[in-house]
Amino acid sequence: DAKTTQPNSMESNEEEPVHLPCNHSTISGTDYIHWYRQLPSQGPEYVIHGLTSNVNNRMASLAIAEDRKSSTLILHRATLRDAAVYYCIPMTGNQFYFGTGTSLTVIP
Amino acid sequence: GAGVSQTPSNKVTEKGKYVELRCDPISGHTALYWYRQSLGQGPEFLIYFQGTGAADDSGLPNDRFFAVRPEGSVSTLKIQRTERGDSAVYLCASSLSGDRVRETQYFGPGTRLLVL
Repeated sequence: DAKTTQPNSMESNEEEPVHLPCNHSTISGTDYIHWYRQLPSQGPEYVIHGLTSNVNNRMASLAIAEDRKSSTLILHRATLRDAAVYYCIPMTGNQFYFGTGTSLTVIP
Repeated sequence: GAGVSQTPSNKVTEKGKYVELRCDPISGHTALYWYRQSLGQGPEFLIYFQGTGAADDSGLPNDRFFAVRPEGSVSTLKIQRTERGDSAVYLCASSLSGDRVRETQYFGPGTRLLVL
């Protein structure tokens, strides 16, 4: 299974963009890259996923490197509600391997 | 519509006891997953159901853990002879058809199990 490397923690000021990086250098060609987040005392929730092209939805944007060995989740304007642990998950069709994720703190 | 629900929300038991944790997936979702999350860690996969059958139980840590989904909807995770190390949040998720590569999983709030 592809493993990931994410910063343990990041901080952002409210209403500023946030770029959350993820390294997944062992990813295979058919693995989709999923991002989930987990707010305190809640189950994880889906954020976005993609294969090769950059993806946008109402929550975020996902920028995938051309060699697919890394990706970046972009929150365009961080709000206090975005404070959570963000998990980058290469999906192998086998299991979801969450890792420890990046804990995002949003400063008012 | 209703999301994934889990009961109980909290469970305290004594070492050696038997516990059952219940998951009600989103109506119509054929795939159901169980995860375990220890403090400070990400969720760890336990088992995956496609319909009534366990399609992948490779994450179950040992034979004290067992899960069923007899009618393809509600699932029960069963833990026998509980140990203090079993203390964790147990998360359930469901997805529409079980395409694990592309599909979104919808998670419940979890059951917090404490073994004394």
